[in-house]
Amino acid sequence: EAQVTQNPRYLITVTGKKLTVTCSQNMNHEYMSWYRQDPGLGLRQIYYSMNVEVTDKGDVPEGYKVSRKEKRNFPLILESPSPNQTSLYFCASSSGTGRYPTEAFFGQGTRLTVV
Amino acid sequence: RKEVEQDPGPFNVPEGATVAFNCTYSNSASQSFFWYRQDCRKEPKLLMSVYSSGNEDGRFTAQLNRASQYISLLIRDSKLSDSATYLCVVNPPNTGFQKLVFGTGTRLLVSP
Repeated sequence: EAQVTQNPRYLITVTGKKLTVTCSQNMNHEYMSWYRQDPGLGLRQIYYSMNVEVTDKGDVPEGYKVSRKEKRNFPLILESPSPNQTSLYFCASSSGTGRYPTEAFFGQGTRLTVV
Repeated sequence: RKEVEQDPGPFNVPEGATVAFNCTYSNSASQSFFWYRQDCRKEPKLLMSVYSSGNEDGRFTAQLNRASQYISLLIRDSKLSDSATYLCVVNPPNTGFQKLVFGTGTRLLVSP
């Protein structure tokens, strides 16, 4: 089954404790991205990756890091989480091979609470 | 001005009703447009792409009005299962083919 898998689904952590949210896709997609979703603000892109070892900042990258060592995996790293990073996070992937955007497939989301 | 703006709703309609949502976008050079559906706090899923000529998929019709810079989604014969948040999504120009900008969503509630 084609899917994007995020882990964990729920996480409560304390300020300053490094954490990683994993994302894996099995569709051989080139393009992957991370979004956060907050009430009244919609989904905002944090980071994206065009392919292995190619990553770039999205609209709200502060406080986050990513890596793309393998095509299927795109982990999101919070080196020193703060309460303002409490949010619902989505990973997404798309094939990204054509001139126009293709369907983005989303993971089930990670609800992060930083206390 | 936000890149993509939507009326947050909620739109409360009875089963069988026809309902329409509009979404405005700020960059007139935007090329690609989509509607995604999101059930409560779940992942967004593509509902349909929006083409210049308009397109229809069963009970759903999407249209693009470039002159006024808006896209619309029409749902006919609403079902209870249509209750969800509908996200307007735009691919702005000069941002890469896969960059998507999401509206904050319009919530639809269909009642018996």
